[in-house]
Amino acid sequence: GNSVTQMEGPVTLSEEAFLTINCTYTATGYPSLFWYVQYPGEGLQLLLKATKADDKGSNKGFEATYRKETTSFHLEKGSVQVSDSAVYFCALSRSGGSYIPTFGRGTSLIVHP
Amino acid sequence: TAGITQAPTSQILAAGRSMTLRCTQDMRHNAMYWYRQDLGLGLRLIHYSNTAGTTGKGEVPDGYSVSRANTDDFPLTLASAVPSQTSVYFCASSGLGQGANGGYTFGSGTRLTVV
Repeated sequence: GNSVTQMEGPVTLSEEAFLTINCTYTATGYPSLFWYVQYPGEGLQLLLKATKADDKGSNKGFEATYRKETTSFHLEKGSVQVSDSAVYFCALSRSGGSYIPTFGRGTSLIVHP
Repeated sequence: TAGITQAPTSQILAAGRSMTLRCTQDMRHNAMYWYRQDLGLGLRLIHYSNTAGTTGKGEVPDGYSVSRANTDDFPLTLASAVPSQTSVYFCASSGLGQGANGGYTFGSGTRLTVV
C-alpha cells in the first residue's frame, strides 16, 4: 500500500537558517505529492504540491522537488523565520480510485529568534 | 469565506455518553473525510465519503459512525465515548477528481476530551 515517511522532529533552528525536512514515499503508479502546514491551533493548509516527476512545487519561499528515482519530496527553505514555526506534513494522493490522501506523521519545526 | 466549519471547537465528554461532531462545507466538494490527530501518530483516517449517499471505513473506524445525507454535511458520531477517543478531530474535503491535483481543505478541528 501507500506510505509516507518523514524525518522525526522537532527540528529546531535559528532564524535565517536553512531548512530541510526529508520525506520519502512508497506508492504504486504515479502519485501527486503535497506538503501541508499546520500552525498552532489550526487545521492543515496546503503549502505546495507537485503532480509529476521532476516538478518543483514552491510557495512562501518553500520548495520541494518530486524525485521519482529516489521516491522523495524533501521540503527546503533557504532562510526560515520565527513565523514558520509549525508542523509540516508530507502527503501523497493517487490519481485514480478514491483519491484518499496518505499523510506522514508530521515534523514539528521550531524557529528561534 | 468559503471553507469547512467544524463544531464544537472543543468538548469535554463523560465516558459512555454519545456525541456528534459536526462538519459543513460550502465548496460543493464531493469527497469528505474525518481524521483524528494524536501526538506521535500523525493523522489517521476514520471514515470518508466520496459522494453524498456513500461512506467508507478508514484506518481507525471502530467506535465511530458517519452519514452523508447531502453534499455539504458530514457528521461524525461517537455512540459511547471511551477515553481512548480523546483526540483532535479534523474534517476535510476535496473536489471530485481534484484530490490528486488540487489538494484538500481542512477545518480548524474539534478538540475532544473523554473523561
